[in-house]
Amino acid sequence: GENVEQHPSTLSVQEGDSAVIKCTYSDSASNYFPWYKQELGKGPQLIIDIRSNVGEKKDQRIAVTLNKTAKHFSLHITETQPEDSAVYFCAASKGAGTALIFGKGTTLSVSS
Amino acid sequence: DTAVSQTPKYLVTQMGNDKSIKCEQNLGHDTMYWYKQDSKKFLKIMFSYNNKELIINETVPNRFSPKSPDKAHLNLHINSLELGDSAVYFCASSLSGPSSNEQFFGPGTRLTVL
Repeated sequence: GENVEQHPSTLSVQEGDSAVIKCTYSDSASNYFPWYKQELGKGPQLIIDIRSNVGEKKDQRIAVTLNKTAKHFSLHITETQPEDSAVYFCAASKGAGTALIFGKGTTLSVSS
Repeated sequence: DTAVSQTPKYLVTQMGNDKSIKCEQNLGHDTMYWYKQDSKKFLKIMFSYNNKELIINETVPNRFSPKSPDKAHLNLHINSLELGDSAVYFCASSLSGPSSNEQFFGPGTRLTVL
């Protein structure tokens, strides 16, 4: 079955710096790659996603890149702010209505 | 508010008891899921229902029984609770159409088994 590896497990940056989180997946049939942000005591919230027919997607300070050949995808957050501090999860799935297979999460801390 | 809701938010119980967690979505989705988040924050799929039919049943003990009375509800009943069942349980929902992948998560139910 699918396996998703996520690195690093913790990331500390200064406000205004960029943060990059990387994930790799094992199943070439996976075609949907979302990123979720989870704040303390809350459920995961989708922040950006990418499908396998796209190499890059950007939404304001957040961008995701996908390399299908290497089976890895990355989350880039620019101009980080203290409110970006949370746990970030990458995931992979084989399309609509299928289970998300999650990475183990990255705890991002942004200090002001 | 359009959302995925779960009740209760917290559940503290003794080993051996039976308990249920309820989930409702008013997003008009046809697929619902249960995920378990352990103490290390690892999120893992447990079950998936599409139009009230079981689609995914990962290697979960049969003490866990999901029930979907209609497309908007997916409840989780747990028999003979064990210490290892302590975790946060998240319900999620999505559409199953070809261009609809996003899963919306509920706020979670923190289950503590003593």
